[in-house]
Amino acid sequence: SYVLTQPPSVSVAPGQTARITCGGNNIGSKSVHWYQQKPGQAPVVVVHDDTDRPSGIPERFSGSNSGNTATLTIGRVEAGDEADFYCQVWDSSSAHYVFGTGTKVTVL
Amino acid sequence: QVQLVESGGGVVQPGSSLRLSCAASGFTFSSYALHWVRQAPGKGLEWVAVISDDGSNKYYADSVKGRFTVSRDNSKNTLSLQMNSLRAEDTAVFYCARVPCTGVTCPTRFDHWGQGALVSVSS
Repeated sequence: SYVLTQPPSVSVAPGQTARITCGGNNIGSKSVHWYQQKPGQAPVVVVHDDTDRPSGIPERFSGSNSGNTATLTIGRVEAGDEADFYCQVWDSSSAHYVFGTGTKVTVL
Repeated sequence: QVQLVESGGGVVQPGSSLRLSCAASGFTFSSYALHWVRQAPGKGLEWVAVISDDGSNKYYADSVKGRFTVSRDNSKNTLSLQMNSLRAEDTAVFYCARVPCTGVTCPTRFDHWGQGALVSVSS
């Protein structure tokens, strides 16, 4: 089955840039979606189809995808960005939807 | 606005059954595929099942295949998940989620989620 690997945690100071990676075999050939989940809440999509932002999501959130790694970048990090982040793809070989292992972003 | 509201969660014993429901509103229910996604306490997200807009196609995660059945009633705007032979490892918050797609093989995002229903399997 297709596996998506994320770092368990990322720490960043306010105002700095956080980068969260999502590794998968030839992930660059897939559409990657990113979700933010705050404690006790349902996930919210912050970037979809590699680079697109839903309405209402700040421009500080951006994505890229190439080769074996997709990346979510959060610029000018704020305390309110602290959350768990998950990447997600659809794997055509298994017809399964796959989530990454998740990354906890801590704002120092 | 789009709303998805899960119900039916609770505490059950291993080997028993439980049925979750998801009531939808704010969109044309019959035009969207719908999913169940779960999250064990303190763990990550796990996709569970998908059903197409007309209910004719369904896919399941290997961990639940043969035990769980997803269904929908487009006349009542309701999605369901029948869970049989429940195990301790099925303990999780179960979310229903919508995708902007009609079929079960869309490489797209989950654009709306419910608030979740907690299922606890314990003796």
